[in-house]
Amino acid sequence: NAGVTQTPKFRILKIGQSMTLQCTQDMNHNYMYWYRQDPGMGLKLIYYSVGAGITDKGEVPNGYNVSRSTTEDFPLRLELAAPSQTSVYFCASRFRGLSYEQYFGPGTRLTVT
Amino acid sequence: GESVGLHLPTLSVQEGDNSIINCAYSNSASDYFIWYKQESGKGPQFIIDIRSNMDKRQGQRVTVLLNKTVKHLSLQIAATQPGDSAVYFCAEMRPSGNTPLVFGKGTRLSVIA
Repeated sequence: NAGVTQTPKFRILKIGQSMTLQCTQDMNHNYMYWYRQDPGMGLKLIYYSVGAGITDKGEVPNGYNVSRSTTEDFPLRLELAAPSQTSVYFCASRFRGLSYEQYFGPGTRLTVT
Repeated sequence: GESVGLHLPTLSVQEGDNSIINCAYSNSASDYFIWYKQESGKGPQFIIDIRSNMDKRQGQRVTVLLNKTVKHLSLQIAATQPGDSAVYFCAEMRPSGNTPLVFGKGTRLSVIA
């Protein structure tokens, strides 16, 4: 299994541009999550999904959108990028079950200038 | 507001010594806790978890202790090695069905050779 994969690894955007961060998992996990991590800080939840077709807002959803059309994919869309969205973005997934362990991808480093 | 927090932002230990990383949580209803390790430039990796019906759980060189009376969680690493250098996060699950994990800010562990 490749686990959780994210693309791209790095990206520089100009203010006002849009982009989609891709996340794919091959573990047949029900739950998927998007976090952002600012320098020296912990993880803040942006959006999450408990299954295909279902998404919910996390702590910091403004400026982002998600969709979950398949079990495997959970893309994160940035519309009208702002410097405040400069961060490292992590995607994670887990089974629906007794363990809440989340498996994380390698992250996407995004800079908005 | 309620939050998962950490007592010390940085910790330096000699190679071979034991490390203790502390975490305070404020929601007495939280029933699941997890520790993650994040190496530079990588996504968080699961270390160990514990449920609120336990006060101690051991893994390979790691032990998690839970004190529900004072709402305190600690991660003990035995015989700390250079490869243990990383940022360590605790996270709690607040009981609310599908509520995601809430992450703390993190403690940076530096191992001195």
